[in-house]
Amino acid sequence: NAGVTQTPKFQVLKTGQSMTLQCAQDMNHNSMYWYRQDPGMGLRLIYYSASEGTTDKGEVPNGYNVSRLNKREFSLRLESAAPSQTSVYFCASSTGFGNTIYFGEGSWLTVV
Amino acid sequence: KQEVTQIPAALSVPEGENLVLNCSFTDSAIYNLQWFRQDPGKGLTSLLLIQSSQREQTSGRLNASLDKSSGRSTLYIAASQPGDSATYLCAVGQGGSEKLVFGKGTKLTVNP
Repeated sequence: NAGVTQTPKFQVLKTGQSMTLQCAQDMNHNSMYWYRQDPGMGLRLIYYSASEGTTDKGEVPNGYNVSRLNKREFSLRLESAAPSQTSVYFCASSTGFGNTIYFGEGSWLTVV
Repeated sequence: KQEVTQIPAALSVPEGENLVLNCSFTDSAIYNLQWFRQDPGKGLTSLLLIQSSQREQTSGRLNASLDKSSGRSTLYIAASQPGDSATYLCAVGQGGSEKLVFGKGTKLTVNP
């Protein structure tokens, strides 16, 4: 069972470059999320999508954009990467609000 | 603003010991609480989900309790094993919001 799949797993960017993190889930979940995890800060929600065609800001949305391409896929785009965006990014999904949430393996991003 | 605290940040125990991990939250108006496990370099795995109307949930050697009025949850691990070594995180969900508020985790080491 694949669950939640993220690509790439590792990426190094130069300041100002752009990139897209891809996420796909095969559990037919309605809700999808992007979190970032930083030492000493815990996990923080960047954006989420409660259903296909909708997206909403989380706690730390600045510098990011998202696209819910279809029910399976939810991508996160950094338009102009900054060193402060160096982090581990996790995609997650659930059947909906208040239900168990399933995480991907993470994407390690370094911006130099 | 909801804040979630996990103390201690790290815990080391001998194999076979029963142990309790603590999670406290400042706003008792929660919808649910989830406990997760995170292995090094991996994503989060959901262990137990407790709805606000429930007092506890059990899965195998794990038991999670919830006391909303005091803003506390505990994760009890019976007969700990080296394979239980990981970081354990709790996260609180609040009504009307898709955002989970995470604690920073307790890193558990079970020594053979």
